[in-house]
Amino acid sequence: QKEVEQDPGPLSVPEGAIVSLNCTYSNSAFQYFMWYRQYSRKGPELLMYTYSSGNKEDGRFTAQVDKSSKYISLFIRDSQPSDSATYLCAMTTSGSRLTFGEGTQLTVNP
Amino acid sequence: GAVVSQHPSWVICKSGTSVKIECRSLDFQATTMFWYRQFPKQSLMLMATSNEGSKATYEQGVEKDKFLINHASLTLSTLTVTSAHPEDSSFYICSARGGPFTNEQFFGPGTRLTVL
Repeated sequence: QKEVEQDPGPLSVPEGAIVSLNCTYSNSAFQYFMWYRQYSRKGPELLMYTYSSGNKEDGRFTAQVDKSSKYISLFIRDSQPSDSATYLCAMTTSGSRLTFGEGTQLTVNP
Repeated sequence: GAVVSQHPSWVICKSGTSVKIECRSLDFQATTMFWYRQFPKQSLMLMATSNEGSKATYEQGVEKDKFLINHASLTLSTLTVTSAHPEDSSFYICSARGGPFTNEQFFGPGTRLTVL
C-alpha cells in the first residue's frame, strides 16, 4: 500500500466550477502538508503549506487537513482555464523528505 | 521570494558524455537541496538529498557514482550525470528547503536531458 494515495484523474470541469482534490495517507507521523501545481514540462509550484488540522485559505484556494482521518483536500473556487495542470499533494514528518501523491490531472474547459 | 533556478533548462548530449546541471536558490540560503527525476505522466522520484558542505544521501537504487551531487555553498547545488546513456534521458528537477525552520520546499523549473 502506498503511503499517500491520490486519484490521478483525469478530472475535467467547466470554467467557474469548484474543484475538489484529495489525498489520503497512512503514516500518522506526517505533520506538514503541501499542495503543488505543475504545468507540463515545468517544475512544481508551491500553492499551499499547512501543518495543523483545519482550513487555510489563500485567494481562490483552500487547503483542508483532517489528521484524525488522515485526509487532506485542496479546493479551487471559480476555476479558470489557467488552472489546468497536474496537482500534487506532498507531506513530510518533522524531517524534510517529501512523500508525494501520484498527482491529479485537472482540465478546466472554457 | 523563494525562487529556485536551474541551468540549463534543456540539454542534448551524445552517449558517453557527462552533463552538469546547476540548481540555485536566488533569494534565500538553502541548507538542504533535493534532486528529483520525473518520467512522463508520473510523479517525482527523489534521487538524493544534499546538505551544504557534506556528502549527499542517495535513495536506494540510485547510483552515486553515476549521479554526482555537490552542494558547495548555501545557494548552489550541482548534479552531474556521468557517462550519460539514453536511459538517463529524463526531466531532472531540484528543490530547496526554504530554511532550517521550515519544511516548505521550492522547486526549480526543471532540466530536460536527452541523451542520443
